[in-house]
Amino acid sequence: EPEVTQTPSHQVTQMGQEVILRCVPISNHLYFYWYRQILGQKVEFLVSFYNNEISEKSEIFDDQFSVERPDGSNFTLKIRSTKLEDSAMYFCASGMNTEAFFGQGTRLTVV
Amino acid sequence: GESVGLHLPTLSVQEGDNSIINCAYSNSASDYFIWYKQESGKGPQFIIDIRSNMDKRQGQRVTVLLNKTVKHLSLQIAATQPGDSAVYFCAEKGFGDYKLSFGAGTTVTVRA
Repeated sequence: EPEVTQTPSHQVTQMGQEVILRCVPISNHLYFYWYRQILGQKVEFLVSFYNNEISEKSEIFDDQFSVERPDGSNFTLKIRSTKLEDSAMYFCASGMNTEAFFGQGTRLTVV
Repeated sequence: GESVGLHLPTLSVQEGDNSIINCAYSNSASDYFIWYKQESGKGPQFIIDIRSNMDKRQGQRVTVLLNKTVKHLSLQIAATQPGDSAVYFCAEKGFGDYKLSFGAGTTVTVRA
């Protein structure tokens, strides 16, 4: 069964450093998303991406964040200068239409 | 404002019994709903979805009911098994939106 894969599973970074979280969506999907989940809290929307551009983003997705689909298969989330409050699980998701299938997440720890 | 929420944060169920997990939403423009199951340390797993032009949809051991009049969504799990222990989230999408908005989650614990 096809699935969304994310790497790394755990990333530890120092405050102020840049991180890139990587995702390989399901191959025939057209819509791509990043969500995050702070420990014990609900899943929060960050950004959606369709037709090679951002289609919607939340207030959390400020200028420190960017997304890219560099080669037609990978979908990346970059955080330019990490803050302590960026520590969370980051989930990539993809879908053909309105549904969204999630990866297993990257646990980002900013120290 | 827009919100999606669950009535109860925890639910304890005897193995073999049916479970009902509830969710209320406030966005009148919501036209698509999904239930997700999340096990510890894993990503949300798609269970079942329903569009606003339907009021019931069935899957394998699961049924989703949608009452648009009172903006209420429920997930019924038949013959609950230990493997059903997880956090369950409802999520909704408004018409024309690209994002899903998630509720706070209900932790289901199945007692042997």
